[in-house]
Amino acid sequence: GQNIDQPTEMTATEGAIVQINCTYQTSGFNGLFWYQQHAGEAPTFLSYNVLDGLEEKGRFSSFLSRSKGYSYLLLKELQMKDSASYLCAFRDSGAGSYQLTFGKGTKLSVIP
Amino acid sequence: DGGITQSPKYLFRKEGQNVTLSCEQNLNHDAMYWYRQDPGQGLRLIYYSQIVNDFQKGDIAEGYSVSREKKESFPLTVTSAQKNPTAFYLCASSPTNRNQPQHFGDGTRLSIL
Repeated sequence: GQNIDQPTEMTATEGAIVQINCTYQTSGFNGLFWYQQHAGEAPTFLSYNVLDGLEEKGRFSSFLSRSKGYSYLLLKELQMKDSASYLCAFRDSGAGSYQLTFGKGTKLSVIP
Repeated sequence: DGGITQSPKYLFRKEGQNVTLSCEQNLNHDAMYWYRQDPGQGLRLIYYSQIVNDFQKGDIAEGYSVSREKKESFPLTVTSAQKNPTAFYLCASSPTNRNQPQHFGDGTRLSIL
């Protein structure tokens, strides 16, 4: 079956680095997405990984290991505005499938 | 600017009443999706459509219905058969290209009176 798991909550200090982990299980994998969602707002796209390795975008980086069913989102130089939920989601490789399976999200609190 | 518009932002439903949530996109995306989000829960897929006049049930389709008569529009009806409709509803769209992300509207918060 399909499953995706990430920590429920994390707290980190302004200016620090935080790593949010995500593990997934699926019979066919075709990409992993990270989204940021502020409370009461729509999720916004952060990053996409389909091959193993690190993708860097400014203060945000995302890593994927397909053999381990594992990804992480790395946030550097944390700012107060980074307080939000971070959702990981995978897309499976079924024919014609564009659906995403989402984790429950990790609520990140950035403290001064 | 291109985007996805959901309306209304807040919606109240009486017991036994059907309500329809609007979703319009001008991104020229073929695929559209409806999700439900409950507190502490991830996004759960209600229905999706990959092309006009075709749609498929997601994981929690019971008590909901959709239509896709135009590429730009994918309205969701919450019927009286949905016993626990209070939730945050999100509409999304994407190209039918697997390395492209889904883009979300601002959501509709539905509450029972």
